[in-house]
Amino acid sequence: AQSVTQLDSHVSVSEGTPVLLRCNYSSSYSPSLFWYVQHPNKGLQLLLKYTSAATLVKGINGFEAEFKKSETSFHLTKPSAHMSDAAEYFCVVSSNDYKLSFGAGTTVTVRA
Amino acid sequence: DARVTQTPRHKVTEMGQEVTMRCQPILGHNTVFWYRQTMMQGLELLAYFRNRAPLDDSGMPKDRFSAEMPDATLATLKIQPSEPRDSAVYFCASGWGGPDYGYTFGSGTRLTVV
Repeated sequence: AQSVTQLDSHVSVSEGTPVLLRCNYSSSYSPSLFWYVQHPNKGLQLLLKYTSAATLVKGINGFEAEFKKSETSFHLTKPSAHMSDAAEYFCVVSSNDYKLSFGAGTTVTVRA
Repeated sequence: DARVTQTPRHKVTEMGQEVTMRCQPILGHNTVFWYRQTMMQGLELLAYFRNRAPLDDSGMPKDRFSAEMPDATLATLKIQPSEPRDSAVYFCASGWGGPDYGYTFGSGTRLTVV
């Protein structure tokens, strides 16, 4: 069985400051991990994915995430937040049965 | 960019009526998911298909929900009869089926049952 825990339900940052969204995973197999973003009243968009290649993964819009097996973590970061980053972010794990297991989501607000 | 197309985008219906939601996966994708999103429950997996065969529909209330893939270009989710508690956004997603690839989500169908 696999699952993810997003450690913060809400993160608030000032524009131009770093963003950190924390995610821990549990998986019986070597996992594939993803971050998705959902803007208000929109569908989910894939930000980035880890699939057992490089442990530091770069995604769209300046986001990146680091896979740390020893810590079972896959935290998402961005060096400088933009107003357009205000959205809900989901950490997702997939394994051998192709199912995606979603975290509860982290809502990001960006202050001007 | 290739996209997953869901119809209708919005649906308001009366309790007891049948509702059918449709999804056109990206051409060539062999794995299709149906998710439901509510404020209270977040994203819940309802059912998913691989090569048109249902792999898991344990997330669906079987007495009223049914999911099918009549062909590779169409997935349907049907609710009969609908109830107010079914009000949610229903998302379809498709992908190549390998965990390496990620999945593309449609824009969702916002269902309101009154």
